[in-house]
Amino acid sequence: EMVMTQSPATLSVSPGERATLSCRASQSVTTNLAWYQQKPGQAPRLLIYGASTRATGIPARFSGSGSGTEFTLTISSLQSEDFAVYFCQQYNNWPTFGQGTKVEIK
Amino acid sequence: QVQLQESGPGLVKPSETLSLNCAVSDYSISRGYYWGWIRQPPGKGLEWIGSIFHSGSTYYNPSLKSRITISVDTSKNQFSLKLSSVTAADTAVYYCARGYSYLDYWGQGSLVTVSS
Repeated sequence: EMVMTQSPATLSVSPGERATLSCRASQSVTTNLAWYQQKPGQAPRLLIYGASTRATGIPARFSGSGSGTEFTLTISSLQSEDFAVYFCQQYNNWPTFGQGTKVEIK
Repeated sequence: QVQLQESGPGLVKPSETLSLNCAVSDYSISRGYYWGWIRQPPGKGLEWIGSIFHSGSTYYNPSLKSRITISVDTSKNQFSLKLSSVTAADTAVYYCARGYSYLDYWGQGSLVTVSS
């Protein structure tokens, strides 16, 4: 099983600041990596696929980078609606998710 | 905008079979794409269960494969999940979604509790 490890578990950020979330794969997934945002009581929302391609309707402040085993999701200037849990997911093999990073208000 | 809606019992007894349907709107399953199931135990992370193509080809999570059946009914534009021999560990919100690789449209989720 491909294990996805996200860090940190919780990230405290002030509105307007930059947030950087990390995701590491136990072996290479090339660029077969997606990021999702989940708010309480809601389904996950696709943000990024192919490691760096924004999904339809996703604001430009969200960006993804990386390949192989190391990936980053950057939110350039946090808005109030961005405080949520973020999951990475690989699909190089059968899909597996990271355990999530909670972005909370500092 | 593709819409998905899960339906099924919210309570299942241990050792019985969990059954859920996912109705798809504003997109014909027959046009293509994989269609999948994902679950999330309360307060925990996401687990992919399996996906099905409109032709009926399936991919299952190896850890659940012996208990899963996913089927598709293109005439009703819906697909279904059956998970047998459930235990309390199968208590979760079950989501249906479009995709096998990344998942771009999701249902709102259906909480299924396994309890006697």
